[in-house]
Amino acid sequence: QSALTQPASVSGSPGQSITISCTGTSSDVGGYNSVSWYQQYPGKAPKLLIYEVSNRPSGVSNRFSGSKSGNTASLTISGLQAEDEADYYCSSYTSSITRVFGGGTKLTVL
Amino acid sequence: QLQLQESGPGLVNPSETLSLTCSVSGGSISSNTYYWVWIRQPPGKGLEWIGSIYSRGTTLYNPSLKSRVTMSVDTSKNQFSLKVASVTAADTAVYYCARGSTASSSDIWGQGTVVTVSS
Repeated sequence: QSALTQPASVSGSPGQSITISCTGTSSDVGGYNSVSWYQQYPGKAPKLLIYEVSNRPSGVSNRFSGSKSGNTASLTISGLQAEDEADYYCSSYTSSITRVFGGGTKLTVL
Repeated sequence: QLQLQESGPGLVNPSETLSLTCSVSGGSISSNTYYWVWIRQPPGKGLEWIGSIYSRGTTLYNPSLKSRVTMSVDTSKNQFSLKVASVTAADTAVYYCARGSTASSSDIWGQGTVVTVSS
């Protein structure tokens, strides 16, 4: 199984909105509403931000939102804050009854 | 509140078997709602799903690792374990255990444990 495709880096200024894409195939992202997103700070474990494409776990800011169109899922962060600077990973269920991650995206807040 | 903690040797010789245990506290590993996952992250790289195990022992493995990976669960100790055989330097990584909450997501993670493969 191939990793999902994410941009290596994105950047934005405080207060702006940014979107991180996650592209797969019809065997993973496009085939199931089972895409999740994680935030990871250096040296820390990932934190779940979004599950099942667009659902937020309790306690996650509503500045984080998820969506999907075809084989591409997206994470949007609105009202960008300095604390949002981190690595972000997407993950999808696959037709092989497995999971696959994206390569990760480094978000820089300018 | 449920917590997970990885444990095991931090250094493994090449060609030997890496063995890690994840201890679950604050809840039962025997839940029918959740399952248990191992994920790793090589230095400076992204996350890689290793496999998942259900409390009754059903396992699912990453096809790229399947021939070398074994996962097991011990409900009496509230623990689950990972073994990776015939390790090489490419298996050097931070290994995380996590709770699987939906088909693609894990909502609770351990802090991670560093495993280095070197002689």
